[in-house]
Amino acid sequence: EVRLVESGGGLVKPGGSLRLSCAASGFTFSTYSMNWVRQAPGRGLEWVSSISSTSQYIFYADSVKGRLTISRDNAKNSLYLRMNSLRVEDTAVYYCARDLGGRDVRGGDVWGQGTTVTVSS
Amino acid sequence: SYELTQPPSVSVSPGQSASITCSGDTLDNKYVCWYQQKPGQSPVLVIYEDTKRPSGIPERFSGSNSGNTATLTISGTQPMDEADYYCQTWHSNNGVFGGGTKLTVL
Repeated sequence: EVRLVESGGGLVKPGGSLRLSCAASGFTFSTYSMNWVRQAPGRGLEWVSSISSTSQYIFYADSVKGRLTISRDNAKNSLYLRMNSLRVEDTAVYYCARDLGGRDVRGGDVWGQGTTVTVSS
Repeated sequence: SYELTQPPSVSVSPGQSASITCSGDTLDNKYVCWYQQKPGQSPVLVIYEDTKRPSGIPERFSGSNSGNTATLTISGTQPMDEADYYCQTWHSNNGVFGGGTKLTVL
């Protein structure tokens, strides 16, 4: 079964840090680009970051550039999102998604269940 | 920054066709994908590269992209199709989502 499982969410104070993980199984992880997408409570989807299969191409939304860092370990079939200098507006459910594209996003065909990040004092 | 505009809501009667639009500057120069999201669930890809359906997506879902507007069409809409729908494209190394459309089947 093709599966993505996120973990690492939680409650953190403004300015704090978190590291999200996404464990992949059931497919050849190293051949797919991956995305992080978030959804604030009651709001729409927001693209956060993308990484190509070999980490050659990495892109970020302007809203997170310089604070969030995407990475992957193909040997461990895992995707990560290091989150620093967190702000209240980063509060959201964070999803990882497998993408059909290479350098660009073509469509996330497999999604995890999401992990919740709450930034509050 | 690049923006995709969707109507906030669309209503359709069961068995009728529903069309959800997504507008953006020269959108037909880009690939568009569409997601369905039901309350409390993760998004599901229903259309990618403008017109392609992933395996397992019913044939009643179709997509088009021309000029500045991409359209998701659901033929013979069923009550189970009631959900939020989001379009997405890639522009200047950014993944851009539309604001979402709530489809009501009544």
